[in-house]
Amino acid sequence: AQSVTQLGSHVSVSEGALVLLRCNYSSSVPPYLFWYVQYPNQGLQLLLKYTSAATLVKGINGFEAEFKKSETSFHLTKPSAHMSDAAEYFCAVTTTDSWGKLQFGAGTQVVVTP
Amino acid sequence: KAGVTQTPRYLIKTRGQQVTLSCSPISGHRSVSWYQQTPGQGLQFLFEYFSETQRNKGNFPGRFSGRQFSNSRSEMNVSTLELGDSALYLCASTPDRGSVDEQYFGPGTRLTVT
Repeated sequence: AQSVTQLGSHVSVSEGALVLLRCNYSSSVPPYLFWYVQYPNQGLQLLLKYTSAATLVKGINGFEAEFKKSETSFHLTKPSAHMSDAAEYFCAVTTTDSWGKLQFGAGTQVVVTP
Repeated sequence: KAGVTQTPRYLIKTRGQQVTLSCSPISGHRSVSWYQQTPGQGLQFLFEYFSETQRNKGNFPGRFSGRQFSNSRSEMNVSTLELGDSALYLCASTPDRGSVDEQYFGPGTRLTVT
């Protein structure tokens, strides 16, 4: 079985500051990891994914994440926050023996202040 | 290419009734997954269908069921509704080309049970 822990249910950042959202996973087999973003009253949009290729993954809207097996982490970063980054962010994990099933973290609500 | 569509977008039902939600995947996608999102439990996996067969199932009671048609469209049904079934129900599709692909989410159906 696999699981995901997101540290911090709410994060407040200033516009222009670094965004850092933490995600730690647990999996007995090689994981596939994803970050999704959800804006109010909308579905989930994929930001980026790790599928065992490069450990540093670049996504949309300037986000990137680094897979660190030794730390079982997949933290999401963005160098400079924009007001439009205000949303809820979810880390998710799946494996090849869990076809179609994403295990999500609890989510992190990001607030961007001017 | 059109995205994942879900109908209806909003639904109000009474306890004890049943409800059917519909999901049309992206053209060419063969796998459809369903998730329930609530403030208390977060995003939870319901089930996944591929080629009209349920391939994976989450930990939900038998009141929750689903099916997939030959054109990959999927429906989920909840019988004997309870207040706790009030949630955003999200559908996601993936090409399933033999490797782990990201899931593409629809906007969801907001179900309110009174």
